[in-house]
Amino acid sequence: EVQLVQSGAEVKKPGESLKISCKGSGYSFTSCWIGWVRQMPGKGLEWMGIIYPDDSDTRYSPSFQGQVTISADKSISTAYLQWSSLKASDTAMYFCAKSDSSGTYYDYWGQGTLVTVSS
Amino acid sequence: QSALTQPRSVSGSPGQSVTISCTGASSDVGGYNYVSWYQQYPGKAPKLMIYDVSKRPSGVPDRFSGSKSGNTASLTISGLQAEDEADYYCCSYAGSYTWVFGGGTKLTVL
Repeated sequence: EVQLVQSGAEVKKPGESLKISCKGSGYSFTSCWIGWVRQMPGKGLEWMGIIYPDDSDTRYSPSFQGQVTISADKSISTAYLQWSSLKASDTAMYFCAKSDSSGTYYDYWGQGTLVTVSS
Repeated sequence: QSALTQPRSVSGSPGQSVTISCTGASSDVGGYNYVSWYQQYPGKAPKLMIYDVSKRPSGVPDRFSGSKSGNTASLTISGLQAEDEADYYCCSYAGSYTWVFGGGTKLTVL
């Protein structure tokens, strides 16, 4: 069974750093892109970026380039999304999702990680 | 890279059909046959309903269908059921291994 299991909810203060994770199982982790999607409270889905775990090829949406870092550790089948200095506007639910082998759509999604940034 | 344009809301009665549009540009929707649609219930993760414009994953009812004409893709749900009430998002490949979502459409079953 394909599963993407994300790390738990986080409460942070502005200026703090954070790294959340997404662990894949039940499929070849290195053969499928992993994407990250933001959903701010009461808002729609926003595509942030993707990584190909086999070679860590990473692409970002222009809106998120320089704001976050996407990485992966293929030895433990885990992808990461990290911030070096959080802002209140980073408060959102973050989903990871795997692409199919052709990379044209996202067939399995993680359960989401809620990040709350508040002073 | 602008979000694709979807109607904020649509509604229909049980048994009716509804269509949700998703308008982009020649650089995304119009340029590739890689439009997918996702269903999301409140507080839940999105679920893939349609991929590559018109293909249905196994397990998705054939009441759901997708199409595309020019820069606009569409999701049609026929034989509307109460359980179809959810938010729906389109997503398109936009070149250089980047994707863009639509703003989302809230479907209300009357």
